[in-house]
Amino acid sequence: EADIYQTPRYLVIGTGKKITLECSQTMGHDKMYWYQQDPGMELHLIHYSYGVNSTEKGDLSSESTVSRIRTEHFPLTLESARPSHTSQYLCASTSNRGTGNTIYFGEGSWLTVV
Amino acid sequence: KNEVEQSPQNLTAQEGEFITINCSYSVGISALHWLQQHPGGGIVSLFMLSSGKKKHGRLIATINIQEKHSSLHITASHPRDSAVYICAVNAGGSQGNLIFGKGTKLSVKP
Repeated sequence: EADIYQTPRYLVIGTGKKITLECSQTMGHDKMYWYQQDPGMELHLIHYSYGVNSTEKGDLSSESTVSRIRTEHFPLTLESARPSHTSQYLCASTSNRGTGNTIYFGEGSWLTVV
Repeated sequence: KNEVEQSPQNLTAQEGEFITINCSYSVGISALHWLQQHPGGGIVSLFMLSSGKKKHGRLIATINIQEKHSSLHITASHPRDSAVYICAVNAGGSQGNLIFGKGTKLSVKP
């Protein structure tokens, strides 16, 4: 059973609002990721982190920020939500130890911007 | 060309059929993952491979490192196997070390 949690699961917010999506994992994983996925479409990387105080941008990072102050916590913030941000946001984690380890995904946060 | 290619993109099968989904990659990898996503659901890891073959229930995953190819097989398919199956690799580069295929949508009819 994966120990990676996302909140909120579902959220409807107005255009221009600031929103933070939370992601926490209790497995001590070094690597954490945020992906955006529209229904039936592929995953797009937003941000990733290799450890505390390490964050990197993915393909869709320009309108969001992340922080990694603690190993277990990797929140994603949209500074000013737009309808184009309506999507599912998936958080994932894996270990940096060894040559490869199982990837764990959270259950996702469904965001609707009206 | 994507660094991780899956085929087919869509697959419809009758219950009980043997199913194969393929994944080819063009980069050096340390591991390959097969993931499953049910409609409207989260993503779960099925297998993580760095060589050879793994089996879990009716699912079998193989990898050929020299040919840069992996297959996911489902024996005695069932409607509950209907899902999107995603291949992902641990590689270097700018994607945080993970590169995903576009997924194969499987529908198993009763």
